[in-house]
Amino acid sequence: AQRVTQPEKLLSVFKGAPVELKCNYSYSGSPELFWYVQYSRQRLQLLLRHISRESIKGFTADLNKGETSFHLKKPFAQEEDSAMYYCALRPQGGADGLTFGKGTHLIIQP
Amino acid sequence: KAGVTQTPRYLIKTRGQQVTLSCSPISGHRSVSWYQQTPGQGLQFLFEYFSETQRNKGNFPGRFSGRQFSNSRSEMNVSTLELGDSALYLCASSADRASGNTIYFGEGSWLTVV
Repeated sequence: AQRVTQPEKLLSVFKGAPVELKCNYSYSGSPELFWYVQYSRQRLQLLLRHISRESIKGFTADLNKGETSFHLKKPFAQEEDSAMYYCALRPQGGADGLTFGKGTHLIIQP
Repeated sequence: KAGVTQTPRYLIKTRGQQVTLSCSPISGHRSVSWYQQTPGQGLQFLFEYFSETQRNKGNFPGRFSGRQFSNSRSEMNVSTLELGDSALYLCASSADRASGNTIYFGEGSWLTVV
């Protein structure tokens, strides 16, 4: 069975500082990895996924198969980045639902 | 285009009752999945439907069931409600199950069991 671990429940950084939200996974096959974000009073939405290798709102994430990690990074945090961030995994090919981590609450202080 | 729509948004039920939640996916989307979100367990996958067939099921008791209609709309049902079923139930849709298809979430249905 797959598992996603986000070790930090809460992460507080100052505006302009770098941000790294950690995500580690365990899965024996080939995974698809995602980062979802939930801003206050909004629905859960996709931030980025590893197959796209894109940067969204300044965030990037690289899949490291050797370390089974998919950490989310942003060089300069902005106040509007404050939100809940969830790392999620599903088997490649979509043969199962998403397995989510417990989430990290990111707070950007002015 | 309209997003994933869930009804009702809020409801209160009594232990032992049953509840049905409804989900309308984004137009053209054929895959609908359901998740339960609680403070203790986080987001957990319930089941996924594709073209009216249940394709995958999470680790939930048989009291949790669902179905999908020919127009891709989906319902989930929880029978013999327990206090622990109090949660936010999220519906999500995507065009199909293939890699690269974005999964879009609804705002959820808040269920309180008293």
